Amino acid sequence: DADVTQTPRNRITKTGKRIMLECSQTKGHDRMYWYRQDPGLGLRLIYYSFDVKDINKGEISDGYSVSRQAQAKFSLSLESAIPNQTALYFCATSEPGTHNEQFFGPGTRLTVL
Amino acid sequence: GQNIDQPTEMTATEGAIVQINCTYQTSGFNGLFWYQQHAGEAPTFLSYNVLDGLEEKGRFSSFLSRSKGYSYLLLKELQMKDSASYLCAGGGGNAGKSTFGDGTTLTVKP
Repeated sequence: DADVTQTPRNRITKTGKRIMLECSQTKGHDRMYWYRQDPGLGLRLIYYSFDVKDINKGEISDGYSVSRQAQAKFSLSLESAIPNQTALYFCATSEPGTHNEQFFGPGTRLTVL
Repeated sequence: GQNIDQPTEMTATEGAIVQINCTYQTSGFNGLFWYQQHAGEAPTFLSYNVLDGLEEKGRFSSFLSRSKGYSYLLLKELQMKDSASYLCAGGGGNAGKSTFGDGTTLTVKP
């Protein structure tokens, strides 16, 4: 079973719609992250959370919001989707005290028409 | 700043050795990661350097010079399955979050 799962895996939506992407993990990690990746580019951090009561903006948080419902769950919302939010979205987890390398979910491919 | 630069594309031959370079501004990172990402898939962790020098792990090795803001990933005995994007990222330790470069797409040819 995958340690980090994302739902949905693919989503097509229209401009102006509200979208929620969900991430769950069974690794028991406190730290969770949301990234977006555009073609030919690296990962850009949207939001991150170091525990259930901690939410931090990343470099590109405008137009997005997050909720950390439990240690294992971290969801990303687009309140009013726009076409330039079309991208591949990855959730990741990490654990302090080690290298803090990140473990990624399989990704959600989002298309906003 | 924490800009991370790496070449966009590289091509190499099966069985050969390839070195993928990464440069970064020297402030703000605890260490330097390398991740591998096959097309359409999630990145997976390859290596982490926090001290200067070379870390060897099978066919893959990673080098770091903190004073020069320079790292490289060395891939030996290239296989076709090594065709992927290789992401350099600064971060690690208790800082938690990482900053990623845009990745180097490596194509391995027969």
